[in-house]
Parts: sequence; C-alpha cells; structure tokens
Amino acid sequence: EAGVAQSPRYKIIEKRQSVAFWCNPISGHATLYWYQQILGQGPKLLIQFQNNGVVDDSQLPKDRFSAERLKGVDSTLKIQPAKLEDSAVYLCASSLRDRGPPSYGYTFGSGTRLTVV
Amino acid sequence: RKEVEQDPGPFNVPEGATVAFNCTYSNSASQSFFWYRQDCRKEPKLLMSVYSSGNEDGRFTAQLNRASQYISLLIRDSKLSDSATYLCVVNSGDGQNFVFGPGTRLSVLP
Repeated sequence: EAGVAQSPRYKIIEKRQSVAFWCNPISGHATLYWYQQILGQGPKLLIQFQNNGVVDDSQLPKDRFSAERLKGVDSTLKIQPAKLEDSAVYLCASSLRDRGPPSYGYTFGSGTRLTVV
Repeated sequence: RKEVEQDPGPFNVPEGATVAFNCTYSNSASQSFFWYRQDCRKEPKLLMSVYSSGNEDGRFTAQLNRASQYISLLIRDSKLSDSATYLCVVNSGDGQNFVFGPGTRLSVLP
C-alpha cells in the first residue's frame, strides 16, 4: 500500500510571498489532516477534511492560510502571504474512518519543510 | 493548562539504561492514547498504542492511569537507535482528531 505522498519536500520563500503544499492520501482514505510542526514542538492540527468537507478548521489562521480538497482525494494547503513564524514542517495524514482518527493511530506523509526568510 | 504535557527533557542516558517518560492529559473524555516516535527531520511514526491494562512490545512498556490522566513509556536496555523524540498523543474529547504533546527528546550515548 502506497503511503501518504507530499510535495515539495523543501521550500524556501521570502516573507509576504505565497506558497502551496500538496498531499495525496492513502487510496480510499476518507479523512485527511494537515498539521503544522514548529521546531521543538509537537504537531498542531490545522485542518481536518472528511471527503471534501471541512470537519475542523478551528486552529487554521484563516487570514492567511487556506486549504481545499475538491474531489475528496488530493488536498492543497496554501499560505498567502507568508510570515517568518510560518517556518515549520507541514505534515499531512490520512485515515480510513469517515470520522475521527482510527484506533490504531494514523500515518503521516514525510512533510514539507518551509523556511520563510 | 495545555491539553497534553510531557517531561521536557532532553534525556541523555547510556546504552543499556532503563528510561521512563511521563505524559499528562487534561481532557478526561479522551479515549485513545499512543506513543509516536520522531527521528530528526523525519515524520512521526506510531510506536505503540496504550491500552487500559498496560501493554508491552519488546523493550517498550506503556501504561495508562485514567484516574490520574497519566501515560508513561518505559524503555529497557536502551539502544543507540532509540535516540529520537517521543511524542505522547491523545485523542481529543470529541474523538475527532489527535492532540500531540511537545515531545521528549532521548539521546542514548555509547
């Protein structure tokens, strides 16, 4: 079974520029999550999708961050404009269950490491 | 109070030592508990689930104390390859997603 695919692996941008990250979940997984992990901290949930609908985006900074999952498969996370404090690793995960995380945990993609200078 | 808190670390231990990590969570409605391992510059990976009765996987033992809202991970006979950050993970009270602790970094020294 192929894992969660993310791209790009690394991105360096200047502050106030825009950036987009892509995630392709495990085939058939209904639920998709985007996490932000700042250096030295645990991952923090940004947004959770069930199919193409948003379940939880309470911690997404909506003035600059947006995410979509139009066909209920791939997802894109965008930051516009970026700030220095957005430097982090952006992790995508998916789960088979149609609501909530599975009892066995879930699998992360390898992440996109963003550096804002 | 943060939803999930962990020993701040880092823990520096010699090979062969036994080391224990502690984690506390604030939401008494949480039902699922895990330990994840994260190597430097890699994604977190599931190490083990934590069951109410406690569970063991080789050199790793996880325990849950619901009354005290406390989870622990014990590593026996530490190996150099155990060096990593260990993340305590708890499902949110509404069961919709996981909340990660800040992690405890372990360095096993030769």
